[in-house]
Amino acid sequence: GAVVSQHPSWVICKSGTSVKIECRSLDFQATTMFWYRQFPKQSLMLMATSNEGSKATYEQGVEKDKFLINHASLTLSTLTVTSAHPEDSSFYICSALPLSTGRDGYTFGSGTRLTVV
Amino acid sequence: TQLLEQSPQFLSIQEGENLTVYCNSSSVFSSLQWYRQEPGEGPVLLVTVVTGGEVKKLKRLTFQFGDARKDSSLHITAAQPGDTGLYLCAGENSGTYKYIFGTGTRLKVLA
Repeated sequence: GAVVSQHPSWVICKSGTSVKIECRSLDFQATTMFWYRQFPKQSLMLMATSNEGSKATYEQGVEKDKFLINHASLTLSTLTVTSAHPEDSSFYICSALPLSTGRDGYTFGSGTRLTVV
Repeated sequence: TQLLEQSPQFLSIQEGENLTVYCNSSSVFSSLQWYRQEPGEGPVLLVTVVTGGEVKKLKRLTFQFGDARKDSSLHITAAQPGDTGLYLCAGENSGTYKYIFGTGTRLKVLA
């Protein structure tokens, strides 16, 4: 089946630094990937839609200059948290939809736990 | 803003019992999905329902999409400890393939 790999699985960084998270589809191509964040004991909140070869679409309230998204190829999207602060600590998850399948093909990565100290 | 409310928020039951989780909204969705998530992992897709009134079965799990495509339910028969997890519904925004997640139901099945 389809596999989405996220890297790193966890990261600790100092306040003020930037962190890049990769979301890679291993055995399929995806023109669209989605980025979510999840706080402890809560549901997933959609942050942005990542489109291959074009600018990402951000949800209301998500700062595009703080959460930089790049989708340079059909198998890779990256999320960079710039000038991270402790309130950015969260579980970040990406999902991808294979080109060749319908909605049943949605696959999520295993997530990245970011801790900003 | 589309909101998906799930009920109950928490559920702790004994092995062998049946349960139903509800997902409600005032918005109409072009499709709805159900996921299960384990701690520290990404959600895993269980089912996608598209047609109003549609019923799908996955072993002991039965999913139903409301006639008006505003709500859905998940029924588990004879729950097992392996069913423990966070269950999430997600509604698709107007055929965009973009899904908004519900508030979640945390299920614990005791042996």
